[in-house]
Amino acid sequence: DTAVSQTPKYLVTQMGNDKSIKCEQNLGHDTMYWYKQDSKKFLKIMFSYNNKELIINETVPNRFSPKSPDKAHLNLHINSLELGDSAVYFCASSQGGNSYEQYFGPGTRLTVT
Amino acid sequence: SQQGEEDPQALSIQEGENATMNCSYKTSINNLQWYRQNSGRGLVHLILIRSNEREKHSGRLRVTLDTSKKSSSLLITASRAADTASYFCATDPNTGGFKTIFGAGTRLFVKA
Repeated sequence: DTAVSQTPKYLVTQMGNDKSIKCEQNLGHDTMYWYKQDSKKFLKIMFSYNNKELIINETVPNRFSPKSPDKAHLNLHINSLELGDSAVYFCASSQGGNSYEQYFGPGTRLTVT
Repeated sequence: SQQGEEDPQALSIQEGENATMNCSYKTSINNLQWYRQNSGRGLVHLILIRSNEREKHSGRLRVTLDTSKKSSSLLITASRAADTASYFCATDPNTGGFKTIFGAGTRLFVKA
């Protein structure tokens, strides 16, 4: 069974569109994250959620809206997509904050044209 | 600049050789972790070392932490072609426990 899954794996869309990426973990973890990895492989945290509550919002434009319907899911909705949003987005989870190892999903490669 | 910075940026070695990657960070931390990322995949956790630890081993991996120099190193002994990947250090910058900062990574290429 996949521990952390994301859908879709690839997403190609035009500027101005709205899209969502879904993430689910079956590890029973309390904490979930969204990261953005740019073309130079630099990985930057976007959001952290703990027990469905937003803990960290790392100065992400408000076009990005995470939603956690329950502890096992953390979805990412992006409005009015821009060229600079093209990247690989990773979801991750951990047992309880970053004193524990994080488990990463396979990533969603978003291409905005 | 970022909290964690690895060097070298890229490393190419022969199978069987050892590979050493270094990570420097700026603020005090609770722990430091190393992750591996194979091309086109998500990150995989390798090892976590706490701020009160100086060295940790896991199989062919050896991690050291020097909090006075704000640096860590990852040593992979007897490397294999399958070790080819990017390696990232990640720090918990002592800001409440939910913010992890990743370095830019070292790309390791092990030639068979």
